[in-house]
Amino acid sequence: GQSLEQPSEVTAVEGAIVQINCTYQTSGFYGLSWYQQHDGGAPTFLSYNALDGLEETGRFSSFLSRSDSYGYLLLQELQMKDSASYFCAVRDTRGGGNKLTFGTGTQLKVEL
Amino acid sequence: NAGVTQTPKFQVLKTGQSMTLQCAQDMNHEYMSWYRQDPGMGLRLIHYSVGAGITDQGEVPNGYNVSRSTTEDFPLRLLSAAPSQTSVYFCASSYSGQGVTLHFGNGTRLTVT
Repeated sequence: GQSLEQPSEVTAVEGAIVQINCTYQTSGFYGLSWYQQHDGGAPTFLSYNALDGLEETGRFSSFLSRSDSYGYLLLQELQMKDSASYFCAVRDTRGGGNKLTFGTGTQLKVEL
Repeated sequence: NAGVTQTPKFQVLKTGQSMTLQCAQDMNHEYMSWYRQDPGMGLRLIHYSVGAGITDQGEVPNGYNVSRSTTEDFPLRLLSAAPSQTSVYFCASSYSGQGVTLHFGNGTRLTVT
């Protein structure tokens, strides 16, 4: 089956850089995604890595190492609005490659 | 575009009652899925569909039924509600073969008493 591990909570100050790690175990792997969810809201897509390396999208970057079954989300120049839960998710080869299995989420608190 | 629309937003049921959570998308996505979200447990896949007429089970399918008669609609049926089904339910869709970007509805908050 699939399993993902990520820290339950991370706290950082406004303007800082924070890294949220994710390790995974899966029987078939296409890629690693990251989603953001504000309290009371729906998850929204942030990034996807299918290959090893760093993908950058504005203040957010995501990294993948397939050999280590490990990835991370890097948030730079933190803003108060970045306070949210962040989920990593593995896209596996079942279900035509569309199935996503999510981690339990990391709650990020950004403080002044 | 409306995207993914879920109704109702809130629902309270008594144990043993049945109901259907509605999900509709207007993006012509082949893939649709239902997740439930409970505190500390992330999003768990209930059922999914890769196209009209095709459905399959996810991690936690017991107590739920789905059907996919059209590309647009993917309703989730609770057959006999139990307190353990108190949760927030999200419907999500994407293009097939591009399942990396799930588009989520705003959720249905269900309480079973």
